[in-house]
Amino acid sequence: AQKVTQAQTEISVVEKEDVTLDCVYETRDTTYYLFWYKQPPSGELVFLIRRNSFDEQNEISGRYSWNFQKSTSSFNFTITASQVVDSAVYFCALSEARYTGNQFYFGTGTSLTVIP
Amino acid sequence: DTAVSQTPKYLVTQMGNDKSIKCEQNLGHDTMYWYKQDSKKFLKIMFSYNNKELIINETVPNRFSPKSPDKAHLNLHINSLELGDSAVYFCASSQDDRSVETQYFGPGTRLLVL
Repeated sequence: AQKVTQAQTEISVVEKEDVTLDCVYETRDTTYYLFWYKQPPSGELVFLIRRNSFDEQNEISGRYSWNFQKSTSSFNFTITASQVVDSAVYFCALSEARYTGNQFYFGTGTSLTVIP
Repeated sequence: DTAVSQTPKYLVTQMGNDKSIKCEQNLGHDTMYWYKQDSKKFLKIMFSYNNKELIINETVPNRFSPKSPDKAHLNLHINSLELGDSAVYFCASSQDDRSVETQYFGPGTRLLVL
């Protein structure tokens, strides 16, 4: 079974619109970590945020914000006032504390296109 | 300054050949990884090394052999390349192998097998 689900395969928005990328995870651990990465058209993977399972505070970084809700096993990512440079594939990932080796389970990614 | 680097960036080769991809990190990290990203962008871990010791070895054909000469390097050697090996291969590193640690990725190596 997929541990991380990103149901939105592709999203297109017009510049300056807000957009939310969904991430739903599945784990039996009480201690786990969630991550978001950005993969722009140039191909590299850029780390955006890490959240641990004990910290449900939402986080804001500039135009980016993250909503972590354990009750729904979701860790959603919102971009406010989107820009063309936000066009990329975004990946959510899970790491579980009970396993050694820091194995990341990635979702299938959401491809975001911001139209000027 | 480059944190995680990979060479080559592009690799085009014929079926049946043997090739290597090199990875180096200058972050002082103890743990390094290889991931494969397929044509649908799905990322899957292949191997993980901590202090030069293999700790994750996913279901990968034994034509793939990682080698870690020291903590800062993790190379991937692929024997008898097949068409299905065409993908982007990412190297990554983290401070250590605890699940709290963020993984930092290299730029990727785009492998095309003809």
